Amino acid sequence: EIVMTQSPATLSGSPGEGATLSCRASQSISSNLAWYQQSPGQAPRLLIHSASTRANGVPARFSGSGSGTEFTLTISSLQSEDFAIYYCQQYNTWPALTFGGGTKVEIK
Amino acid sequence: QVQLVQSGAEVKKPGASVKVSCKASGYIFTTYGITWVRQAPGQGLEWMGWISVHNGNTKYAEKVQGRVTMTTDTSTSTAFMELRSLRSDDTAVYYCARDLYDTGIFDFWGQGTLVTVSS
Repeated sequence: EIVMTQSPATLSGSPGEGATLSCRASQSISSNLAWYQQSPGQAPRLLIHSASTRANGVPARFSGSGSGTEFTLTISSLQSEDFAIYYCQQYNTWPALTFGGGTKVEIK
Repeated sequence: QVQLVQSGAEVKKPGASVKVSCKASGYIFTTYGITWVRQAPGQGLEWMGWISVHNGNTKYAEKVQGRVTMTTDTSTSTAFMELRSLRSDDTAVYYCARDLYDTGIFDFWGQGTLVTVSS
């Protein structure tokens, strides 16, 4: 099983600041990586797939990068609605797949 | 618009079974697979399994293999997830999600169904 490790566990930021979230895979997954945002009490929402492709309707302030085992989600300027938990997910071994443990982005 | 609407919350005793439904609308149901993901209270996301709506093929996570069955009813555009021999650690919110062209990318999610297992 491919293990996905996210860091940091919690990131504190202020509105308008940038944020960088990391995700590491235990073995190469090429670019088969997605990022999801989950607000409290809500279902996850797809943000990024194929490591760097924004899903429909996702604001341009969200960007993804990386390949192989190291990936990054960048939020260029935090908005109030961005304070949430973010999960990375590998689908290189589809249909079996794994999620990271999540990074909580909280207001400083 | 694409929607996945799940059945309501359930409370079950240990050893019982639960069957959660996920009704799809706004797209051709047989074109995409359905994945089930669960989230224990305060925890992260756990993939449970996938079903091809097109041909009924399934793949289950090892952790629930033998206790879970995923099915679909194409006449009503509904997917089902049945989990048997429930334990307290099965308490979670269960989500269905549309699998974009059967790639492992989940572009639409149901609202979630809370299943509580308690004696």
